Amino acid sequence: ETGVTQTPRHLVMGMTNKKSLKCEQHLGHNAMYWYKQSAKKPLELMFVYNFKEQTENNSVPSRFSPECPNSSHLFLHLHTLQPEDSALYLCASSQVWSETGKKLFFGSGTQLSVL
Amino acid sequence: DAKTTQPTSMDCAEGRAANLPCNHSTISGNEYVYWYRQIHSQGPQYIIHGLKNNETNEMASLIITEDRKSSTLILPHATLRDTAVYYCIVGGGRDYKLSFGAGTTVTVRA
Repeated sequence: ETGVTQTPRHLVMGMTNKKSLKCEQHLGHNAMYWYKQSAKKPLELMFVYNFKEQTENNSVPSRFSPECPNSSHLFLHLHTLQPEDSALYLCASSQVWSETGKKLFFGSGTQLSVL
Repeated sequence: DAKTTQPTSMDCAEGRAANLPCNHSTISGNEYVYWYRQIHSQGPQYIIHGLKNNETNEMASLIITEDRKSSTLILPHATLRDTAVYYCIVGGGRDYKLSFGAGTTVTVRA
């Protein structure tokens, strides 16, 4: 148990569906992240939120819409996805800054399949 | 623009020490060396990190060379549950992004 909880664990959706991924952290962190991991590829950073403000959008298509209502919760709203968006979506949290180095804590991920 | 270089894969025997090398020749003075691992289809797990001194915790030891251009992660007594992809990453303290490369696939064999 890392203190970062993601739901759902698995999701199958059609290309016309709208769904949301949820992430919650219980670590008192103030930065949250979305990563994407396609099959046999390295993790790709998608979005970063520091103190609820988005500070990074790594050229992610608009069919992915993040939301960070507070420092403990992060959502990824999905609409009109493509089959190539099928991947493991990982949420992480950390302190925004630390004098002793910044550690990321990851959730277990949502395995998304787009049909 | 990869900041670290790791072997693609390595095998080790259960119960023996596993030594995982990482080259980071372009590391800057304020950048830490981090190690994470990812067991199949799970989120990466933090292992250890260091700036210039060697570090040890309950999971592993991190040896950083004096010039900081390379490091070694040591798993003292590898178990089958240590089979995973191990990532070596460098990053600074403020406003930096952790970039995960391909890592080293470690297979522990009985």
